[in-house]
Amino acid sequence: ETGVTQSPTHLIKTRGQQVTLRCSSQSGHNTVSWYQQALGQGPQFIFQYYREEENGRGNFPPRFSGLQFPNYSSELNVNALELDDSALYLCASSLELAGSTYNEQFFGPGTRLTVL
Amino acid sequence: AQSVTQLGSHVSVSEGALVLLRCNYSSSVPPYLFWYVQYPNQGLQLLLKYTSAATLVKGINGFEAEFKKSETSFHLTKPSAHMSDAAEYFCAVSRLRQGGSEKLVFGKGMKLTVNP
Repeated sequence: ETGVTQSPTHLIKTRGQQVTLRCSSQSGHNTVSWYQQALGQGPQFIFQYYREEENGRGNFPPRFSGLQFPNYSSELNVNALELDDSALYLCASSLELAGSTYNEQFFGPGTRLTVL
Repeated sequence: AQSVTQLGSHVSVSEGALVLLRCNYSSSVPPYLFWYVQYPNQGLQLLLKYTSAATLVKGINGFEAEFKKSETSFHLTKPSAHMSDAAEYFCAVSRLRQGGSEKLVFGKGMKLTVNP
């Protein structure tokens, strides 16, 4: 069984640019969540996608957007990059089951984004 | 709203000594509580979770945590620290939701150093 993978591992961008980060969910998982982890902080929830629809969003501006594809891979897009967007971006996949109350989220290794 | 508090940012213990990492939570609904570990340049790995069953939860690598509703605490312990336990530890809270995984709200993390 393949775990959650993310690409690229590291990325350097300049202010104002746009970036796309990718996540491949664990096999069979239908839900993906994205988190931002700034240096010295805990991860913060950006948004979650379930069956290609946004299913919850944290306190992030609209320039943070996402996509989930039919094969349950996912993208995080950030437009108009700011210096404060420098962080480790983590995705986590899970399997949503009707009637269940808890589904464990499995995290990928993250993409470290540096904005200069 | 839910939140967790991890007081301090760094704890140092000797190899073989007790590890105690504190976590207090705030939640207006019955919480799910988690401890995650993050090794350098890696993603998050689930150590253990409380999902309203037994209040004393045993996890991987010899860690355990006890849910104390009266104290709103979920402290992580390990009787004897190993060098390999050196990492950053995050406490997180989520809420019960029918049909699947709710967003995780993380504390700021605690860096554990183990001295020989």
